[in-house]
Amino acid sequence: AQSVTQPDIHITVSEGASLELRCNYSYGATPYLFWYVQSPGQGLQLLLKYFSGDTLVQGIKGFEAEFKRSQSSFNLRKPSVHWSDAAEYFCAVGRNSGGYQKVTFGIGTKLQVIP
Amino acid sequence: NAGVTQTPKFQVLKTGQSMTLQCAQDMNHNSMYWYRQDPGMGLRLIYYSASEGTTDKGEVPNGYNVSRLNKREFSLRLESAAPSQTSVYFCASSEGGSGTDTQYFGPGTRLTVL
Repeated sequence: AQSVTQPDIHITVSEGASLELRCNYSYGATPYLFWYVQSPGQGLQLLLKYFSGDTLVQGIKGFEAEFKRSQSSFNLRKPSVHWSDAAEYFCAVGRNSGGYQKVTFGIGTKLQVIP
Repeated sequence: NAGVTQTPKFQVLKTGQSMTLQCAQDMNHNSMYWYRQDPGMGLRLIYYSASEGTTDKGEVPNGYNVSRLNKREFSLRLESAAPSQTSVYFCASSEGGSGTDTQYFGPGTRLTVL
């Protein structure tokens, strides 16, 4: 069974500060890992994904994430947060399951950005 | 290119009423999904359609039915709404069933059942 843990439900950072959102996964094989972002009142949008190769992946909006197999982690980072980054962030693990993509989402981390 | 569209955006029902949530995608994707989002629980899969003409149950299918009308459209029906179905519903699509696919989400339908 696959599972995702996002230990921080709510995080507050100052604008311009660095950000790290934590994600731990459980999956028996090589995981396919995703970060999605949900702005208020909107659907989810893919920030980045990892499935092989370089363990540091770059995404949209200046985000990056690092896959660490030894720690079963896929933490999301941004060096300098902007007010527009205030949103909810979901880590997810996916696999092919009988012809469809089975994705397990974490419960999300809500990011508040203060001036 | 609208991506994934959903109607309606908001809906209030009384217990026992029925309704259909509509979803359409214009990306020629094979797979489509219905999720519900509840506070503290992330997104949970209700039903999916791996390809046109096929549908199957996800994690929380009870109380719902779906129809894959054609490649573009995938509807979700609540036959007899219950307060436990108060939630935000998202439709998503992906190119196929690969574990590495990106899912594209609609804006959601916020449903309240009184």
